[in-house]
Amino acid sequence: GAVVSQHPSWVICKSGTSVKIECRSLDFQATTMFWYRQFPKQSLMLMATSNEGSKATYEQGVEKDKFLINHASLTLSTLTVTSAHPEDSSFYICSARDPRHGYTFGSGTRLTVV
Amino acid sequence: AQSVTQPDIHITVSEGASLELRCNYSYGATPYLFWYVQSPGQGLQLLLKYFSGDTLVQGIKGFEAEFKRSQSSFNLRKPSVHWSDAAEYFCAVGPSTDKLIFGTGTRLQVFP
Repeated sequence: GAVVSQHPSWVICKSGTSVKIECRSLDFQATTMFWYRQFPKQSLMLMATSNEGSKATYEQGVEKDKFLINHASLTLSTLTVTSAHPEDSSFYICSARDPRHGYTFGSGTRLTVV
Repeated sequence: AQSVTQPDIHITVSEGASLELRCNYSYGATPYLFWYVQSPGQGLQLLLKYFSGDTLVQGIKGFEAEFKRSQSSFNLRKPSVHWSDAAEYFCAVGPSTDKLIFGTGTRLQVFP
């Protein structure tokens, strides 16, 4: 089946620094990847849709300068949280669309900003 | 507007009992429907999906779901719950080519 690898699984950073999260499709090519944010005991909130070779499409209310998304290849999308603050602490999950299996999710990244 | 409703925020069942998690959707076209399970601190694992055809869908871990167009529902069922099934369950709807819309989730607790 389709596998999506997300790294790191957890990260702690100081306020004001930037953090990069990687999402890789291991055995298929993903022209489209999705980035979600999940607050404790809540559902997934779509942040942006990442398309290979083009700019990401951000959902309303998501700061594109804060959450930089790059999808430079068919197997890799990255989310960079710039100038992170404690309110950015959350669980971030990526998803890639596979033509055969539908949507496959990464294992998530827990970001803690101190 | 497109939406997914999971009416039950929290369900508690005894191990060995049957389970049904409810999901209702509002979608303008033929929906693609999904059920995912999430363990604490983990990503989402696909349990099953419905694209077309037989309205009763079999998934992994003994789960099944039935698509009822007349009721706009896609309820998840399992005849006998195991303690390892305790997790958060999400219903989602979407087209085949775009983002998914998730329900708010149902937390399942299993007592021995």
